[in-house]
Amino acid sequence: EVQLVQSGAEVKKPGESLRISCRGSGYSFTTYWIGWVRQMPGKGLEWMGIIYPSDSDTRYSPSFQGQVTVSVDKSISTAYLQWSSLRASDTATYYCARRASDHKGMDIWGQGTTVTVSS
Amino acid sequence: QSALTQPRSVSGSPGQSVTISCTGTSTDVGNYVSWYQQHPGKAPKLMIYDVTKRPSGVPDRFSASKSDNTASLTISGLQAEDEADYYCCSYANRSRLFGGGTKVTVL
Repeated sequence: EVQLVQSGAEVKKPGESLRISCRGSGYSFTTYWIGWVRQMPGKGLEWMGIIYPSDSDTRYSPSFQGQVTVSVDKSISTAYLQWSSLRASDTATYYCARRASDHKGMDIWGQGTTVTVSS
Repeated sequence: QSALTQPRSVSGSPGQSVTISCTGTSTDVGNYVSWYQQHPGKAPKLMIYDVTKRPSGVPDRFSASKSDNTASLTISGLQAEDEADYYCCSYANRSRLFGGGTKVTVL
């Protein structure tokens, strides 16, 4: 079965660092782009960025450039989304999603990781 | 970047049709518009890609089109399980932009 499995919920304090993960299975991980999407509580979807695991080519939305880091460890078929210093406004659910091979839609989604940042 | 503009909500009775619009600039709304369905507490699901194409497994009562700077998703023969949030998404300038989302209510 083709799937993306994300790491579990996190509760952090402002200023702390965090890395969440997204592991792909059931397909050739290195040949599909993996994107990240934020959904703040009660709000809509926001595009954050995308990475190509084969060569780590990464593209960020202007809104998230410099705010987060997207990376990948292709040896374990896992993509990451990382913060160096969390803020309360980073509280959200984060989804990873796979870009389809033959079109630009995101065809497989992870279950989401909820991040809560509170003092 | 501003989000693509969608109506906040639309509603219809079972069996009726509803249409959701998604408006942006000529750069935003090109040939790579996709639509996603999201039920509460669930991950989004791809319903339409490349403006009009349905992935396998998506019922054919979901259809989509584009005219100038506006893309549209139509749900025909509305069913109770179609009640969800729907988001359009465009690919342009090597990035993506989501619409603000539309809540579809089945009366």
